Amino acid sequence: AAGVIQSPRHLIKEKRETATLKCYPIPRHDTVYWYQQGPGQDPQFLISFYEKMQSDKGSIPDRFSAQQFSDYHSELNMSSLELGDSALYFCASSFPTSGSFRGLDTQYFGPGTRLTVL
Amino acid sequence: KNQVEQSPQSLIILEGKNCTLQCNYTVSPFSNLRWYKQDTGRGPVSLTIMTFSENTKSNGRYTATLDADTKQSSLHITASQLSDSASYICVVLSGGYNKLIFGAGTRLAVHP
Repeated sequence: AAGVIQSPRHLIKEKRETATLKCYPIPRHDTVYWYQQGPGQDPQFLISFYEKMQSDKGSIPDRFSAQQFSDYHSELNMSSLELGDSALYFCASSFPTSGSFRGLDTQYFGPGTRLTVL
Repeated sequence: KNQVEQSPQSLIILEGKNCTLQCNYTVSPFSNLRWYKQDTGRGPVSLTIMTFSENTKSNGRYTATLDADTKQSSLHITASQLSDSASYICVVLSGGYNKLIFGAGTRLAVHP
């Protein structure tokens, strides 16, 4: 079965550079979530999109921006990178539920992109 | 292959009832196991983190158990409330790679 695809899997950047992470959700999934997980930390929710519109915003720095495109893939743009941005960035996708579970969703996580800022 | 399997996939219970969610994992080396509660479109909220030596850990009405021999964990919710309706995700940290392995989650709906 198709899974969430993230690219690149590994990325090395220097301070003050920019980076773009891509996420391709499972086909027919319309919601995308982005998470940041620092070493030894819980994943932190950054931002989510539903039907190409931002649905929720978490602890995403102003230096970061994201969007969801017409084909439902999403990109996380990170500018003026700092050493503290080094982390594993997860993307997850979900599909709309109905009936008794309206409003609940199961998220399918991608393998993550490991960003290292030198 | 490292993986985390959760059951049931979805669950409906009446308010005030108890329920138990299951998590089986095949992750090596094992570092710790976490249960998260997540509402739609929101970030996950950590409920418990359990290491190899811990069998039971409670957080209010949530009680997690871990059997490292059988590689099984459960999350028991007592006296359920409407606000418990959410997805519950089991996540295992693989110590060898410092990598989180996510389960697909159990969707819980609590009805009045």
